[in-house]
Amino acid sequence: EAQVTQNPRYLITVTGKKLTVTCSQNMNHEYMSWYRQDPGLGLRQIYYSMNVEVTDKGDVPEGYKVSRKEKRNFPLILESPSPNQTSLYFCASSTTGTSGRAFNNEQFFGPGTRLTVL
Amino acid sequence: SQELEQSPQSLIVQEGKNLTINCTSSKTLYGLYWYKQKYGEGLIFLMMLQKGGEEKSHEKITAKLDEKKQQSSLHITASQPSHAGIYLCGADRGGGTSYGKLTFGQGTILTVHP
Repeated sequence: EAQVTQNPRYLITVTGKKLTVTCSQNMNHEYMSWYRQDPGLGLRQIYYSMNVEVTDKGDVPEGYKVSRKEKRNFPLILESPSPNQTSLYFCASSTTGTSGRAFNNEQFFGPGTRLTVL
Repeated sequence: SQELEQSPQSLIVQEGKNLTINCTSSKTLYGLYWYKQKYGEGLIFLMMLQKGGEEKSHEKITAKLDEKKQQSSLHITASQPSHAGIYLCGADRGGGTSYGKLTFGQGTILTVHP
């Protein structure tokens, strides 16, 4: 089954304790992206990756790191989490097709990771 | 401020009623996604519109893209409780040239009463 998986689905942690949220897709997609969703603010892009070893900042990259060493995985790293990073996080992937543009193709979203930083 | 503004922010309708959700962009729209989300869950792809004047339908949901107005509308005919959820529009932030930076509206919460 084609899917995007995220782990963990729920996480409660404390300020300053490094954590990683994993994202994996089995569709051989070039493009992957991380979003956070907060009430009233919608979905905001954190980082995205057009392909292996190619990453770039989205709207709200501060406090986050990413890496793309393999095509299927795109982990989100919070080196020193703070309470304002409490949010619902989504990973997504898509092919870029012949246009090379992520937008021209449907994005597949993971189930979300609900993070609480105390 | 948001580059994509959705209206209304929330909507409560009686089952069987028609409804429309709008998504307006502060920049020219080269294309637009519509997604549906059940509260706290992942996003389900509905439609993607790429050309001005394009209109697509899936079951009782129709979406149109009007590039002149920098707006897209999502219309649900004869709403059902299964239509309830959060509807989000999304677009390429770079106006078709960013190759990856995507932006979404804040979402419209739809409640359908049986």
